[in-house]
Amino acid sequence: DQQVKQNSPSLSVQEGRISILNCDYTNSMFDYFLWYKKYPAEGPTFLISISSIKDKNEDGRFTVFLNKSAKHLSLHIVPSQPGDSAVYFCAASGSGSSNTGKLIFGQGTTLQVKP
Amino acid sequence: ETGVTQTPRHLVMGMTNKKSLKCEQHLGHNAMYWYKQSAKKPLELMFVYNFKEQTENNSVPSRFSPECPNSSHLFLHLHTLQPEDSALYLCASSQDSQGGIGETQYFGPGTRLLVL
Repeated sequence: DQQVKQNSPSLSVQEGRISILNCDYTNSMFDYFLWYKKYPAEGPTFLISISSIKDKNEDGRFTVFLNKSAKHLSLHIVPSQPGDSAVYFCAASGSGSSNTGKLIFGQGTTLQVKP
Repeated sequence: ETGVTQTPRHLVMGMTNKKSLKCEQHLGHNAMYWYKQSAKKPLELMFVYNFKEQTENNSVPSRFSPECPNSSHLFLHLHTLQPEDSALYLCASSQDSQGGIGETQYFGPGTRLLVL
């Protein structure tokens, strides 16, 4: 039973255009969501996060949107750059005894930004 | 450079070997984690330590034995592993493991393990 899902295994966009990566979750107890970026042969690097009290968080070219009613979040990268090519993981955590300290990850989406 | 280091970066071992993975964090965090990433699967949490105490064992087989001598160091002792244990093993740390809003984990580069 996968609580965090990234249904698109890959995404290809042109340099300068917008990249939109999507993530769905099933557990309504999740209250903190994160995006990580991973290059080959490296560990995941924290990119941006959002708490459930917000619906948008922006950091430079990266914006995360949260739709709690739909249990959906998305990461927008604009403009996309070739250096953004990596695997992007969505992760969620929640307060409450069953989730304390746990990050639940999606399967990842491989983004390719073409020059 | 995330402030979390792991050694070795690559490891090949036979099923009868005993080896250890090491993780060190320089972030002043109190919680440390072991994750496993197999091909085409999400990262799977294995163990959580908070202030040197194990707070989570995610039904991990006993051939994986963690050790946390202090808040900065975490080990994963391996013995009699199986080929299906071949994976990327990632260590992470966070301020503490109480979870909830604002708890960001920072990852090391991982150890790529191959069990023959």
